[in-house]
Amino acid sequence: IAGITQAPTSQILAAGRRMTLRCTQDMRHNAMYWYRQDLGLGLRLIHYSNTAGTTGKGEVPDGYSVSRANTDDFPLTLASAVPSQTSVYFCASSARGGEDTQYFGPGTRLTVL
Amino acid sequence: GQNIDQPTEMTATEGAIVQINCTYQTSGFNGLFWYQQHAGEAPTFLSYNVLDGLEEKGRFSSFLSRSKGYSYLLLKELQMKDSASYLCAVRDSNYQLIWGAGTKLIIKP
Repeated sequence: IAGITQAPTSQILAAGRRMTLRCTQDMRHNAMYWYRQDLGLGLRLIHYSNTAGTTGKGEVPDGYSVSRANTDDFPLTLASAVPSQTSVYFCASSARGGEDTQYFGPGTRLTVL
Repeated sequence: GQNIDQPTEMTATEGAIVQINCTYQTSGFNGLFWYQQHAGEAPTFLSYNVLDGLEEKGRFSSFLSRSKGYSYLLLKELQMKDSASYLCAVRDSNYQLIWGAGTKLIIKP
């Protein structure tokens, strides 16, 4: 079934540890996005990529990095996790970038202690 | 700054009609989206409006007034499975999506 997969589903992490959240899509979409969702707040964009080989910063990029080596994969790395990064992380993709509808992966629930 | 406002929570009765409002102030406008999100799940696309007026899709309709910075999502013949959060998002002049915090809709039998 075509779509977006994320791994892990959930994770508990000690503060200061490095963590990579994985995102893979098989729809051949050009654009991919990482959001975090916190209670009482709207989805906030962390980083995005309009096409393989390019990335850009969103609203809340500090403490996160991304890479886009190919069309399908868009990993999000927390270099040194802090408790304020406890959140639900969603990866999304769209066919042609900002002009198109975004489709979301199932999310990763991350707890930093 | 950019702002999307939606009611935090609404309650409605099975079989009834409910209207969820969204007002926005953004730097530019390139369309408005509604998504549905069940608890613990990913947001799923419901509707898209870029021109003024009503877009109907089955039991769901979405309305847009660009001059008023206003949209609503209308859900008819409510079913228990419609219990979810409904997210309003506006695409700004940079083609980034600005999201509201969502409206939690509770359906009672």
